[in-house]
Amino acid sequence: GIQVEQSPPDLILQEGANSTLRCNFSDSVNNLQWFHQNPWGQLINLFYIPSGTKQNGRLSATTVATERYSLLYISSSQTTDSGVYFCAVVGGGADGLTFGKGTHLIIQP
Amino acid sequence: DTAVSQTPKYLVTQMGNDKSIKCEQNLGHDTMYWYKQDSKKFLKIMFSYNNKELIINETVPNRFSPKSPDKAHLNLHINSLELGDSAVYFCASSPKTSGRMFAGELFFGEGSRLTVL
Repeated sequence: GIQVEQSPPDLILQEGANSTLRCNFSDSVNNLQWFHQNPWGQLINLFYIPSGTKQNGRLSATTVATERYSLLYISSSQTTDSGVYFCAVVGGGADGLTFGKGTHLIIQP
Repeated sequence: DTAVSQTPKYLVTQMGNDKSIKCEQNLGHDTMYWYKQDSKKFLKIMFSYNNKELIINETVPNRFSPKSPDKAHLNLHINSLELGDSAVYFCASSPKTSGRMFAGELFFGEGSRLTVL
């Protein structure tokens, strides 16, 4: 099956900082999503982005499908951005959404 | 109002018991899923149903049996619970996009935390 690698695994930043999270995948994809799992365990949809660039407020994402990676940008971090960020993809074999291991982000006041 | 809802949110039970988790979606999606999140936060697909038909059945003990009475509901029944079954179980749903299964955006429920003592 498709492999999904996220980096960095852990990230600690001060409030106001910017960050870039990366997701590499091993095969062509039909679907790519970014999720934020907040400290209460809820999985929040951030972006549905199999290709191209999208922006939503302080967050933006870019997927370069031909080079098999996606980036999630968080600007002007707030403490409420803390949590785990997951990248998930559906590979060409269409075997459901496969998740990376996540980036654990801590934003300190 | 909730798009994907699961019940119960918390479940504490003894080893050997049988329990069920229910899931309902009001998004009109054709495809539903069960995912398991372990203690290290890793999310892995267990099952997927498309319009009541089982599509994905990953390597999961046969003590786990999904049931889809209609395309808006996907329940998970677990027999003879073991300590290792303790986890958070997430239900999700997605639409079919451009005729390709699993290509649509997934929406998750809030999860059901199962603790086996």
